[in-house]
Amino acid sequence: DQQVKQNSPSLSVQEGRISILNCDYTNSMFDYFLWYKKYPAEGPTFLISISSIKDKNEDGRFTVFLNKSAKHLSLHIVPSQPGDSAVYFCAAPRALMNYGGSQGNLIFGKGTKLSVKP
Amino acid sequence: ETGVTQSPTHLIKTRGQQVTLRCSSQSGHNTVSWYQQALGQGPQFIFQYYREEENGRGNFPPRFSGLQFPNYSSELNVNALELDDSALYLCASSFKGLRNEVELFFGEGSRLTVL
Repeated sequence: DQQVKQNSPSLSVQEGRISILNCDYTNSMFDYFLWYKKYPAEGPTFLISISSIKDKNEDGRFTVFLNKSAKHLSLHIVPSQPGDSAVYFCAAPRALMNYGGSQGNLIFGKGTKLSVKP
Repeated sequence: ETGVTQSPTHLIKTRGQQVTLRCSSQSGHNTVSWYQQALGQGPQFIFQYYREEENGRGNFPPRFSGLQFPNYSSELNVNALELDDSALYLCASSFKGLRNEVELFFGEGSRLTVL
């Protein structure tokens, strides 16, 4: 049962344009979401997160939007840079973060491979 | 500050063999989680260790076992290897104690191939 879904295996954008990566989830109990970025031959690195009590979180060029009614979140990268080319994973903790849970047990999507062309 | 290190980086085993993968957590972290990432998939949670005890387990059979040592380093052991165990095994450390710790810090992974 894929509780976190990334339906686009790949995305290609031009440098300087916006990249939008999408993620859907099925479990309405999820109260926290994270995005990780993974380069080849490296482990995933944390990028940005959002609590379910918010609908937007911004960090520099990266913004995550959460639509709870649609069970959908998206990661926007503006402007996109060639160094952003990587696989992006959406994830949610199985435990309830807003009640002191630990996010050690994360449920990941399958990832979206972003290619930013110069 | 040293990051999460894993060893070995690559290894090849045959069906039925046993394997031990090792992880040194990031300095100051007390919790270690292990993930399996098959080709084309996202990482899947195997288990987590906190204070040298298993503190949560995913949908993996008992032949997947682990240890955490007093220095918070960890081992993942897999017995009776099967072809489907071929994957990238990721170790991640974090600090349990903050109400809302955000980040897991991942190592580069150990790529296991079972022939």
